[in-house]
Amino acid sequence: AQSVAQPEDQVNVAEGNPLTVKCTYSVSGNPYLFWYVQYPNRGLQFLLKYITGDNLVKGSYGFEAEFNKSQTSFHLKKPSALVSDSALYFCAVRDMANTGNQFYFGTGTSLTVIP
Amino acid sequence: DAGVIQSPRHEVTEMGQEVTLRCKPISGHDYLFWYRQTMMRGLELLIYFNNNVPIDDSGMPEDRFSAKMPNASFSTLKIQPSEPRDSAVYFCASSAGTGSYEQYFGPGTRLTVT
Repeated sequence: AQSVAQPEDQVNVAEGNPLTVKCTYSVSGNPYLFWYVQYPNRGLQFLLKYITGDNLVKGSYGFEAEFNKSQTSFHLKKPSALVSDSALYFCAVRDMANTGNQFYFGTGTSLTVIP
Repeated sequence: DAGVIQSPRHEVTEMGQEVTLRCKPISGHDYLFWYRQTMMRGLELLIYFNNNVPIDDSGMPEDRFSAKMPNASFSTLKIQPSEPRDSAVYFCASSAGTGSYEQYFGPGTRLTVT
């Protein structure tokens, strides 16, 4: 079955420190992987995606993510966290081979960057 | 493009009333998704369409919920009759099946049923 797991409900990091938000996935075909960010009272906003190619993908606001096929992971990273990065982050996978191209979202990780 | 447009942004209604939420997807996108978000249940997929045809409505809570997509530029989600437990933020999202693949979300409709 297709699924996404975000093992941490909450991540706290000091401003200026590197941050990592974890995501693992399960999909029968080739994974199309995405990260979204949600600020309070806003819709989800697309950050970055992995479809094919280089395992390290770069996205908006200095975020990047590393696709690891053997560990079925797609962790979100940023070298230096900003207070403004505090938000809710969702990982998602799209199974283009099966299940009608549906998206599967994780439960979200709340990131707090401490000044 | 203006992005995904949803209306209304806020809706307050009394229990038993009919509620209609509206969505205009991004032009050229052939997939449209309806989600519901609450603190208790997180983000839930309700239904999605491909080329205006419903593909999977297994997430629709019960028969009080219905969704239509009469054309490529418009979709509605209707709740009749509404109940207090329907209070949530409802998001519409659209995506392309080829090319870019990612979803783009609308700003959401915050529904409060009293």
